[in-house]
Amino acid sequence: DTGVSQNPRHKITKRGQNVTFRCDPISEHNRLYWYRQTLGQGPEFLTYFQNEAQLEKSRLLSDRFSAERPKGSFSTLEIQRTEQGDSAMYLCASSPGGEEYEQYFGPGTRLTVT
Amino acid sequence: AQSVTQLDSHVSVSEGTPVLLRCNYSSSYSPSLFWYVQHPNKGLQLLLKYTSAATLVKGINGFEAEFKKSETSFHLTKPSAHMSDAAEYFCVVSDWTGNQFYFGTGTSLTVIP
Repeated sequence: DTGVSQNPRHKITKRGQNVTFRCDPISEHNRLYWYRQTLGQGPEFLTYFQNEAQLEKSRLLSDRFSAERPKGSFSTLEIQRTEQGDSAMYLCASSPGGEEYEQYFGPGTRLTVT
Repeated sequence: AQSVTQLDSHVSVSEGTPVLLRCNYSSSYSPSLFWYVQHPNKGLQLLLKYTSAATLVKGINGFEAEFKKSETSFHLTKPSAHMSDAAEYFCVVSDWTGNQFYFGTGTSLTVIP
């Protein structure tokens, strides 16, 4: 299967710890997006990469959050000093770029902060 | 600024009857609009998209949506509901750059046998 993959699928951590999630987009998709989804809500945009450049960041993305996409391939999302309010599903999506805007989503990483 | 409003948080239909899930959008630009479906414990899947071509868009699994600029609407329909259609549906708007996407709060579809 050559879809978007995310690891880990589940992460339980204690408040104050740092966590890092990984997203592997569909090969040759130059656009990559991160979202956060809480129970009963739609996904909320966090950040967007075109190749290795981070072009958009939501105001939701506090200083404790950082994302990278070295070499324009996989991406990582790190949350430092986690808080209980960070508990959510973190979704990654990729799209081909150009005029093809549809996004292909990964299965998500569910974060629980205790 | 872009946003979408999904007018119903829950819709319940009987199997074999039509489905209508309503979405209104707000956009400063000519929007791109999408419908995604999310089955329990599964990833989001694209149903269909509108990107300024034909206003009536056909998607997978018999779903279709009509872009109505005068009404700023992009409602999702299906002539006959199937049990497997039970899921959460999200209407999504993007601006012309495709840099940001805005999801609605979702509509939960229940199909009654």
